[in-house]
Amino acid sequence: DAEITQSPRHKITETGRQVTLACHQTWNHNNMFWYRQDLGHGLRLIHYSYGVQDTNKGEVSDGYSVSRSNTEDLPLTLESAASSQTSVYFCASSPGYEQYFGPGTRLTVT
Amino acid sequence: KNEVEQSPQNLTAQEGEFITINCSYSVGISALHWLQQHPGGGIVSLFMLSSGKKKHGRLIATINIQEKHSSLHITASHPRDSAVYICAVRSRGGADGLTFGKGTHLIIQP
Repeated sequence: DAEITQSPRHKITETGRQVTLACHQTWNHNNMFWYRQDLGHGLRLIHYSYGVQDTNKGEVSDGYSVSRSNTEDLPLTLESAASSQTSVYFCASSPGYEQYFGPGTRLTVT
Repeated sequence: KNEVEQSPQNLTAQEGEFITINCSYSVGISALHWLQQHPGGGIVSLFMLSSGKKKHGRLIATINIQEKHSSLHITASHPRDSAVYICAVRSRGGADGLTFGKGTHLIIQP
């Protein structure tokens, strides 16, 4: 069955380290998204991509980057992790309007 | 001010009660989504609406485009309906990424 996966599911890292969160989908969707979820804020858009080599900034993109070298993967990189980036991160993919969410990655920056 | 407002933030009801969760938004939209998030974190899409009404089992979603308002109804509520329900909109002319409400935490007591 087609699916969307995220790894790792849980990660603890130290301030200043570079961290990469993986997102992989097997639906062959062109559109992929990264969101973060925080208490009091709900889900917010970090970055999104409409296809290979396309990346765009969302509402809360500072401190994050993405790259899209193939259709299946959209890794999210925290260049220098900060405590403010402690959050739960969700990846999603979409063939158009409907969005399908991954299981999430809980990231703690100490 | 958040572009998407949900009410109530928290709702506790008895099994069997009719539940209504409301969502108001301030921007022109191309679609509105209702999502469900269970403890443990996974996000599932329940409905995507651009007009009218949709029904799936005991769940009904309606939208009034002129009033910029949507409701999610649960008939004959059950403890397994306990979850966070999230309203999200896709802005007309904007990115495909969604803008989310902060969610309604629903608890159905047996």
